[in-house]
Amino acid sequence: DQQVKQNSPSLSVQEGRISILNCDYTNSMFDYFLWYKKYPAEGPTFLISISSIKDKNEDGRFTVFLNKSAKHLSLHIVPSQPGDSAVYFCAASEDSGNTPLVFGKGTRLSVIA
Amino acid sequence: EPEVTQTPSHQVTQMGQEVILRCVPISNHLYFYWYRQILGQKVEFLVSFYNNEISEKSEIFDDQFSVERPDGSNFTLKIRSTKLEDSAMYFCASSPRGQFGYSDTQYFGPGTRLTVL
Repeated sequence: DQQVKQNSPSLSVQEGRISILNCDYTNSMFDYFLWYKKYPAEGPTFLISISSIKDKNEDGRFTVFLNKSAKHLSLHIVPSQPGDSAVYFCAASEDSGNTPLVFGKGTRLSVIA
Repeated sequence: EPEVTQTPSHQVTQMGQEVILRCVPISNHLYFYWYRQILGQKVEFLVSFYNNEISEKSEIFDDQFSVERPDGSNFTLKIRSTKLEDSAMYFCASSPRGQFGYSDTQYFGPGTRLTVL
């Protein structure tokens, strides 16, 4: 069962433009959402998170938007840089970040110079 | 910046052998986790550990698996009798414990690639 879905396996964006990565979830008990970035042969690196009491969280070039009614979140990266090229995972948990994370399959972002 | 470390980076073993994967979580963290990612699939939760006991485990975490915190710094995952399908990347993660209602972030190690032949 896919409780967390990332429907786009890959995305290509020109350097300097906005990258938008999308994630949908089905479990209404999820209330904490995270984005991780992963390079080959490395572990997931935490990028940004959002609690269900908010609809937006911003950290530098990264902004996460949460639409609870649509069970949808998105990660915006602006401006995109070649170093952002990686696989991005959406993850969610119930109650707090200390409960098991449920991951999406990931979206491979390629930022073209 | 503190980070989660894992050893070895790559472990090759014969089917039926026991393996122990090692992790050193971030020093002031209190929750510890193991996840795995089979090639081409999602990252999947295996087990979480808090206050010297398992707090949650998934269906994957059967009797062949065990976890231990043998001292104040290491956190280990043991697979008693490895199967071919145990071949995967195994990630350790840790998080601080927040107060009630406070959400914490899980920080991941670089992973151990386990290959069962």
